[in-house]
Amino acid sequence: KQEVTQIPAALSVPEGENLVLNCSFTDSAIYNLQWFRQDPGKGLTSLLLIQSSQREQTSGRLNASLDKSSGRSTLYIAASQPGDSATYLCAVMSLPQGAQKLVFGQGTRLTINP
Amino acid sequence: NAGVTQTPKFRVLKTGQSMTLLCAQDMNHEYMYWYRQDPGMGLRLIHYSVGEGTTAKGEVPDGYNVSRLKKQNFLLGLESAAPSQTSVYFCASSSRDRGGPTQYFGPGTRLLVL
Repeated sequence: KQEVTQIPAALSVPEGENLVLNCSFTDSAIYNLQWFRQDPGKGLTSLLLIQSSQREQTSGRLNASLDKSSGRSTLYIAASQPGDSATYLCAVMSLPQGAQKLVFGQGTRLTINP
Repeated sequence: NAGVTQTPKFRVLKTGQSMTLLCAQDMNHEYMYWYRQDPGMGLRLIHYSVGEGTTAKGEVPDGYNVSRLKKQNFLLGLESAAPSQTSVYFCASSSRDRGGPTQYFGPGTRLLVL
């Protein structure tokens, strides 16, 4: 059974710092990995999706990497801003099984202090 | 284009009462999902559907039933609510295109069972 773990559970940093969020998964037979953002009281917004054949994806100040063999992914946020404050979730999709079922980590609650 | 909508946004139930949560999507997606999110935990899949008239169990299906009579709607039912079902419920949908951005999420329904 796939299990996804995110460390740390919460992180607070001053504005302008670069930071890294971690995600690990137990079964390396994944189809893709996705990072989501969740604002308080809101749904999830997809940030980056990395296919199993890819090593990284970039969008603006965000960079996500994937090391399938070690079961790890990182989300790098450059020059953090107060607007980046949210909970960040990673989710893995295992090999196609008729539906795109995702297994989520517990999330990292990020606070950027002005 | 509203994306994924959920009704109601918030509900309080007494133990033993029943209710139905409605999810609607206007993206013509084949797949739809119901998740629950509890404090300190990621999203867990309750039930999902790969097409109109078909449903399947996810990770935590006990105490819930679902129906997908129309492609755009996915209903989640609680026949006899229990305090353990207090949670935030998210609906999501996705297309059959596995290379795409996977799942689009609704804003969530907060359910409190007393």
